[in-house]
Amino acid sequence: SALTQPASVSGSPGQSITVSCTGASSDVGSYSLVSWYQQHPDKAPKLIIYDVSKRPSGVSNRFSGSKSGNTASLTISGLQADDEADYYCSSYAGNYIVVFGAGTKLTVL
Amino acid sequence: EVQLVNSGGGLVQPGRSLRLSCAASGFTFDDYAMHWVRQAAGKGLEWVSSITWNSGNIGYADSVKGRFTISRDNAKNSLYLQMNSLRVEDTALYYCAKDNGGGGVTSAFDIWGQGTMVTVSS
Repeated sequence: SALTQPASVSGSPGQSITVSCTGASSDVGSYSLVSWYQQHPDKAPKLIIYDVSKRPSGVSNRFSGSKSGNTASLTISGLQADDEADYYCSSYAGNYIVVFGAGTKLTVL
Repeated sequence: EVQLVNSGGGLVQPGRSLRLSCAASGFTFDDYAMHWVRQAAGKGLEWVSSITWNSGNIGYADSVKGRFTISRDNAKNSLYLQMNSLRVEDTALYYCAKDNGGGGVTSAFDIWGQGTMVTVSS
């Protein structure tokens, strides 16, 4: 089953926001293989967090990730206008299967 | 330059077949697992299938199991998705993506193709 994310979140420039991603004991709860993606309109997704809390080279340290039990979280600090995008979480679910969340639309007010 | 180039999409009638391709360059293709991910218009990302570096292990989403077949040719640096018995609900932009976890499957896709559009309609 798809991971559960809020449909939308919003924040003002400079503020911090957190996006949650709730799965099950068979995916998020069992593996430290949670990733987060940023997708701007009509663009391919971009990996911003992997292995729960690691950042790929070149990704701002304003993006951070964590996990507790079956729920993972993405925090964006110091919100900027360009952060406005859709954000997706994903998790390995065993047996060479991956699941995505339904996505969260971030609006920067 | 590290890149993935998708091709093979198009308009197809329900029940027919289509084969998607993904050409990789700029990295050692056979060191990494690969994936297909799709996105219907205005909808979220849906993982479709994965294949490990040596094709030894493969996974499919329930929505495509038994109809789609993933494969790779490491000599040609290419990934494929054979789609049979296509349904209207398979209409989407299909991306290939590189796993950053080495030869095995994780959930971290660090390189994405540009996508190829598949439209299933009569």
